[in-house]
Amino acid sequence: AQRVTQPEKLLSVFKGAPVELKCNYSYSGSPELFWYVQYSRQRLQLLLRHISRESIKGFTADLNKGETSFHLKKPFAQEEDSAMYYCALSGYGQNFVFGPGTRLSVLP
Amino acid sequence: DAGVTQSPTHLIKTRGQQVTLRCSPISGHKSVSWYQQVLGQGPQFIFQYYEKEERGRGNFPDRFSARQFPNYSSELNVNALLLGDSALYLCASSPIWDTDTQYFGPGTRLTVL
Repeated sequence: AQRVTQPEKLLSVFKGAPVELKCNYSYSGSPELFWYVQYSRQRLQLLLRHISRESIKGFTADLNKGETSFHLKKPFAQEEDSAMYYCALSGYGQNFVFGPGTRLSVLP
Repeated sequence: DAGVTQSPTHLIKTRGQQVTLRCSPISGHKSVSWYQQVLGQGPQFIFQYYEKEERGRGNFPDRFSARQFPNYSSELNVNALLLGDSALYLCASSPIWDTDTQYFGPGTRLTVL
C-alpha cells in the first residue's frame, strides 16, 4: 500500500540556518513525489515535484529510491519559509497520498 | 483565471443531515479530486473524477458520493452526517487524471454539531 511518513510534526530553525524536512514513502512501483506548502491563510500549493528537478524558492528535494526518501532541503532558511509542508506521492493509475505534514517555524 | 473555487466557504450542520459541497476547476482542467483534511492531519483522498467518470475512490463509507458535470464542475455529497465528518473539504483540479500536479481550492469548512 502507498504510504507517506513525515516524522517531524514541528521543526524550528533560526533564520539563516539550513533546514531539512524529512519524507519517507512506501510504494511498490515508480512513484511521482511532490512537496506541497501551505502558508498562513493561503491554499495548499505545489512547491516542487521530483521529475522537474527544479529549485523553487531555494528548496530542493532529491528522490532516493534506495532509502525511499524525498527530503526537502534549503541551505539558508528565511522567515517567509514558515509554513506547513506536506510530502505527497502518486503512482500511475493511483491516487494522491499525502503525509501528515511538518510545520516549519523559522525564528528571527 | 481565479483558480479552483469552492462553495460554500463554511457550513454548519447537525448530525444526520445531508450536505452538498461544490467545486469549479481551473478552466481546461478535466480532473477533479476531493480530499478530507481533519485538523492536524494531511489531506485524505476521497474521490477523483475525470471526464465525468469516477477514476478513484478512497477509503470512505458509502455515505460519501460525488459526481462531475459536463462543464467539469463537481459536487461532493455526504449523507447521514456524523460528528467525525467535521473537517476541511478540499477540491483539487488537474489537466489530466494521472499523477499530474493538483491545484487546490480554498476548501469548505464543515462543522457537524
